[in-house]
Amino acid sequence: GEDVEQSLFLSVREGDSSVINCTYTDSSSTYLYWYKQEPGAGLQLLTYIFSNMDMKQDQRLTVLLNKKDKHLSLRIADTQTGDSAIYFCAESPDNYGQNFVFGPGTRLSVLP
Amino acid sequence: DADVTQTPRNRITKTGKRIMLECSQTKGHDRMYWYRQDPGLGLRLIYYSFDVKDINKGEISDGYSVSRQAQAKFSLSLESAIPNQTALYFCATSDLQSPWEQYFGPGTRLTVT
Repeated sequence: GEDVEQSLFLSVREGDSSVINCTYTDSSSTYLYWYKQEPGAGLQLLTYIFSNMDMKQDQRLTVLLNKKDKHLSLRIADTQTGDSAIYFCAESPDNYGQNFVFGPGTRLSVLP
Repeated sequence: DADVTQTPRNRITKTGKRIMLECSQTKGHDRMYWYRQDPGLGLRLIYYSFDVKDINKGEISDGYSVSRQAQAKFSLSLESAIPNQTALYFCATSDLQSPWEQYFGPGTRLTVT
């Protein structure tokens, strides 16, 4: 079946850029998402990208999609301590909402 | 106040017991979902409902049942809890116009001993 993989941990210094990577196996993935989970809270949609796009930028967040390699990345510029959280990559072949496949999440730790 | 609430937030129960997890939302969304999160794994869909009369099984529905009592309420039941159902359970909602944008509750941590 479909699979989404992420490294489980990432540590960066405050002020540096963070890059969280994700690979997926389903070639029919049309929608790709990044969710953020803060301690004790549910997931929050950060951003999403359609498969016909290569890049999407939203303030400090940049999403890059390499469809050939089935690789998605999330770059956070000027990382702050408030960015410490678990970041989940997810993919879906449609936008109906019930066919998400989530990765295991990357725990980002921001060091002062 | 939170848009999506879950009760209880934490629960410890014994094997064989019946337990219900409740979810309420004030967002006015038609679509509601129950997910399970295990350490080192992504969220997996248990059940989803597109409206009060619509209930659908997700990827891992065995051992679970749901009830959509109203547009705003969606409950998850474990008829006879077993230890491998120990997990973090999330409820989520979305609307018809943007179903991919799901709003999650804070989660219920369930431990089955």
